[in-house]
Amino acid sequence: DIVMTQSPDSLAVSLGERATINCKSSQSVLYSSNNKSYLAWYQQKAGQPPKLLIYWASTRESGVPDRFNGSGSGTDFTLTISSLQAEDVAVYYCLQYYTNPRTFGQGTKLEIK
Amino acid sequence: QVPLQESGPGLVKPSETLSLTCTVSGGSISSRYWSWIRQPPGKGLEWIGYIYYTGKTNYSPSLRSRVTMSVDTSKNQFSLKLTSVTAADTAVYYCARIGGTGYIDLWGRGTLVTVSS
Repeated sequence: DIVMTQSPDSLAVSLGERATINCKSSQSVLYSSNNKSYLAWYQQKAGQPPKLLIYWASTRESGVPDRFNGSGSGTDFTLTISSLQAEDVAVYYCLQYYTNPRTFGQGTKLEIK
Repeated sequence: QVPLQESGPGLVKPSETLSLTCTVSGGSISSRYWSWIRQPPGKGLEWIGYIYYTGKTNYSPSLRSRVTMSVDTSKNQFSLKLTSVTAADTAVYYCARIGGTGYIDLWGRGTLVTVSS
């Protein structure tokens, strides 16, 4: 199985500041034939199901604010929130869909400082 | 109308079988992959497996011996059965839709299933 490791486990950032969450896979999730990394990011607010933010490592889902950006390729990925808003308080998960079984990172809890 | 809605018992006894159904609304279940994911209270997400509308399945190795998924295209539903449950199977169970390229793009609201006598 591909192990997905997120860092940090929790993060406190001031409103308006940048938040950065990392995700590392134990093996590459880059498919060489299309040069796409099979990595998605999800946001889960308390009491709600996860919501898709980013797929293909850097493609923003329709309707997601442009302060959310995904980057990286191969085994190392980053989710950046450029200017933290109060409504961004949540747990964030990465998911690799390169192979079965699909595997999630353990989650990063983002709070307001 | 909720696009994906889980239904089933909220309480299951140890050693019995957990059974859940997901009803797909506002679109056809055909030509899509559908998935189950669970989340123990206060913990992270665990992928259980997926099923194609034709009935083709792929299960997590850690649960494969106890999991069965099925699909009923006439009812626009797909289902999960998990046998021989223990307290460790207590979780919120989500049904979800897999986008055409493999990532999960839509989630149900989730249903809490507690395993307890």
